Amino acid sequence: KAGVTQTPRYLIKTRGQQVTLSCSPISGHRSVSWYQQTPGQGLQFLFEYFSETQRNKGNFPGRFSGRQFSNSRSEMNVSTLELGDSALYLCASSGVSSSYEQYFGPGTRLTVT
Amino acid sequence: GESVGLHLPTLSVQEGDNSIINCAYSNSASDYFIWYKQESGKGPQFIIDIRSNMDKRQGQRVTVLLNKTVKHLSLQIAATQPGDSAVYFCNAGNMLTFGGGTRLMVKP
Repeated sequence: KAGVTQTPRYLIKTRGQQVTLSCSPISGHRSVSWYQQTPGQGLQFLFEYFSETQRNKGNFPGRFSGRQFSNSRSEMNVSTLELGDSALYLCASSGVSSSYEQYFGPGTRLTVT
Repeated sequence: GESVGLHLPTLSVQEGDNSIINCAYSNSASDYFIWYKQESGKGPQFIIDIRSNMDKRQGQRVTVLLNKTVKHLSLQIAATQPGDSAVYFCNAGNMLTFGGGTRLMVKP
């Protein structure tokens, strides 16, 4: 069974731009969560989607948004990028039988200059 | 508020020794706890979990201990190997937040 895939793996943007990251969960998984990882703040939860609905949301500004499609693939968008948005963005999926066990993708490394 | 925290940011051990990584939590309502391992350049990987009605669970070379009285969780790695070098995160399963992580460095 293929794992969680994220595209692109690396991205460089400039301040003020917007970016869209993509995540394909493990086949059959309906929950997708997004995290931001930085050296200073560790892993911080952004939001979780289940069956195309946002189920949980972390404490991030409205510039961060996401969505999930009917095939469970998910995208997150960051508008008006700031230097502090430079981070590794991780996506994780989980299945119905063990919804607490998350399977992480390799992440997208976003650098904002 | 609810939080999951780790005691030591970096742990350095000799290859072959046992490692113990600690974690404190504040949410008494957590039903399960999970340890993840993150190697350089990769996403976190599930290692082992434990239900709140247990106090010990063993896996292959790893043991997780749960002390609900003091809200403490630990991960023990037996005969630590270079491949164990990584950042380890604990997570209270019904929270979507992680502690800052402990970096385990294994010296050959």
